[in-house]
Amino acid sequence: EAAVTQSPRNKVAVTGGKVTLSCNQTNNHNNMYWYRQDTGHGLRLIHYSYGAGSTEKGDIPDGYKASRPSQENFSLILELATPSQTSVYFCASGDAAGASAETLYFGSGTRLTVL
Amino acid sequence: AQSVTQPDARVTVSEGASLQLRCKYSYSATPYLFWYVQYPRQGLQLLLKYYSGDPVVQGVNGFEAEFSKSNSSFHLRKASVHWSDSAVYFCAVSMASSSFSKLVFGQGTSLSVVP
Repeated sequence: EAAVTQSPRNKVAVTGGKVTLSCNQTNNHNNMYWYRQDTGHGLRLIHYSYGAGSTEKGDIPDGYKASRPSQENFSLILELATPSQTSVYFCASGDAAGASAETLYFGSGTRLTVL
Repeated sequence: AQSVTQPDARVTVSEGASLQLRCKYSYSATPYLFWYVQYPRQGLQLLLKYYSGDPVVQGVNGFEAEFSKSNSSFHLRKASVHWSDSAVYFCAVSMASSSFSKLVFGQGTSLSVVP
């Protein structure tokens, strides 16, 4: 079965600190995504990747960087965390079944609190 | 730009009753349409998706959705809900011409099934 694992599950960070959220998928999917979920906004796309070595900006990339060192791993990096980045972050992999029609497989999320 | 509106933030229904969750989209062409479900403390899972053909599409666990081009809607239905259906439901749209799954999500509808 498809599996996307995120770590940590919960994270408390201080303003100005560096935060790295990790995601690992065993689906062998080329596409991976980072979303944040906030009440009243649904999920919003931060960064995505087509494969190892590639990262692309999504709809709300400001304040975030991404890294895709391998097919399996996709990280989201907050170099200087701010309280506005307090949210729940979801990683997903996509099966690229006709690109626009692909099914996304989500991890269980990381709850980040920036104090 | 495409957008998705789920007008009901919260819906409460009795177990065994029928269910309709509303979704309206804004997009100039025919989009790919999705319903995802998020159970407590889990990531999102695909319920069903639609692009063309029969406007009524069947999904998992007895869910179905009906596409209406004239109304720009993609409402989710279930004939008889179970307590285990309590979750947050997200409608999403994807551009048909994109090379990856740039999903735009609605704000979500939280469903509570009561005895």
